Amino acid sequence: NAGVTQTPKFRILKIGQSMTLQCTQDMNHNYMYWYRQDPGMGLKLIYYSVGAGITDKGEVPNGYNVSRSTTEDFPLRLELAAPSQTSVYFCASSYSRQGESPLHFGNGTRLTVT
Amino acid sequence: GENVEQHPSTLSVQEGDSAVIKCTYSDSASNYFPWYKQELGKRPQLIIDIRSNVGEKKDQRIAVTLNKTAKHFSLHITETQPEDSAVYFCAASNPDNDMRFGAGTRLTVKP
Repeated sequence: NAGVTQTPKFRILKIGQSMTLQCTQDMNHNYMYWYRQDPGMGLKLIYYSVGAGITDKGEVPNGYNVSRSTTEDFPLRLELAAPSQTSVYFCASSYSRQGESPLHFGNGTRLTVT
Repeated sequence: GENVEQHPSTLSVQEGDSAVIKCTYSDSASNYFPWYKQELGKRPQLIIDIRSNVGEKKDQRIAVTLNKTAKHFSLHITETQPEDSAVYFCAASNPDNDMRFGAGTRLTVKP
């Protein structure tokens, strides 16, 4: 199993540009998540999904959108990129809800907005 | 919502010494407490977790203790090795709320 795969690994965006961060998992997990990690700030939840067709906001959803058309894929869309979105983004999945099982993380996407 | 505080933010120990990282949480309903290790430039990976019906759990050199009354839990690493150097994150959650992470502790083990 590849686990959780994220692409791209690095990206530089100009202010106002848009992009999609890709995430796919091959563990047949229903639950998937997007986190951002800022220096010294831990991980903050952006959006999550409990299954195909269902998404919900996390702690810091502003400026982002997600979709979940299949169990495997959970892309994160940035519209009108802003410098405040410079961060490392991690996708994760779990076989049951967060309060019941650990998270499996992808390798991350380092995004810089200038 | 849940708020998790983690201390210290940095910790430096000599190889072979023990390291202790402490976390407190605010939501008494939280019942799952994982610890993640993140090496430089890599993904966070689960190293140990504990549920609220257990007070202590050990896995070789790593142990976690939980005090539900005081709402704090701790990670203990014994006989530290240079490869233990990393950032460690605690987290707390329950099935009705998303997982909240501490800000992390950068552990350096000096040879």
